[in-house]
Amino acid sequence: DIQMTQSPSSLSASVGDRVTITCRASQGISNFLAWYQQKPGEVPKLLIYAASTLQPGAPSRFSGSGSGSGTEFTLAISSLQPEDVATYYCQKYNSAPQTFGQGTKVEIK
Amino acid sequence: AQLVESGGGSVQPGGSLRLSCAVSGFTFKNYAMSWVRQAPGKGLEWVSGISGSGGSISYAGSVKGRFTISRDNSKNTLYLQMNGLGDDDTAIYYCAKDRRSGGSCHDQWGPGTLVTVSS
Repeated sequence: DIQMTQSPSSLSASVGDRVTITCRASQGISNFLAWYQQKPGEVPKLLIYAASTLQPGAPSRFSGSGSGSGTEFTLAISSLQPEDVATYYCQKYNSAPQTFGQGTKVEIK
Repeated sequence: AQLVESGGGSVQPGGSLRLSCAVSGFTFKNYAMSWVRQAPGKGLEWVSGISGSGGSISYAGSVKGRFTISRDNSKNTLYLQMNGLGDDDTAIYYCAKDRRSGGSCHDQWGPGTLVTVSS
């Protein structure tokens, strides 16, 4: 099975900072990569799909990108806001099992 | 879209539970559905998925042979039959709508139902 590895596992940044989270797949998955946001005590919410397409309703400060190899992906928050405190997960969905990364916890410094 | 899970509860090791997810607000048969779980304080784990027609089914290795996913498109309901439950199955179980009729990522989630496996 393809493994999904996120880094870092946690980060602390100031309001207004640009924040990036990386997700690496152990094999190429083309652009079948999604990002989710889970705020404390809440249900996960889809932010980005197809590696770089913003889900309707998601704030435009979130963006996603991927490498040509289909193994390295990045979630960026252009200007961190207090409401962005959450754990972020990547998920591959090119084939089963649709594995999630282990999560990245984002906090405000 | 609205998704509401039910059927969670406390069960002894080796026991069984059947989860249900009633959906409304979209044409159920047109979308694949999935179950995703989250153990207390842990990350998300995809458990199982089923295509819109029900003809394509897949499982995570950790539940294969013990869990069975199914759907009734006439009742707009998704199911997860869980047998041979162990401590590692303790989690919140989320029902999730996929973006397409085949496997995809999940754009709508239910509030979840808690399954606790304990003697």
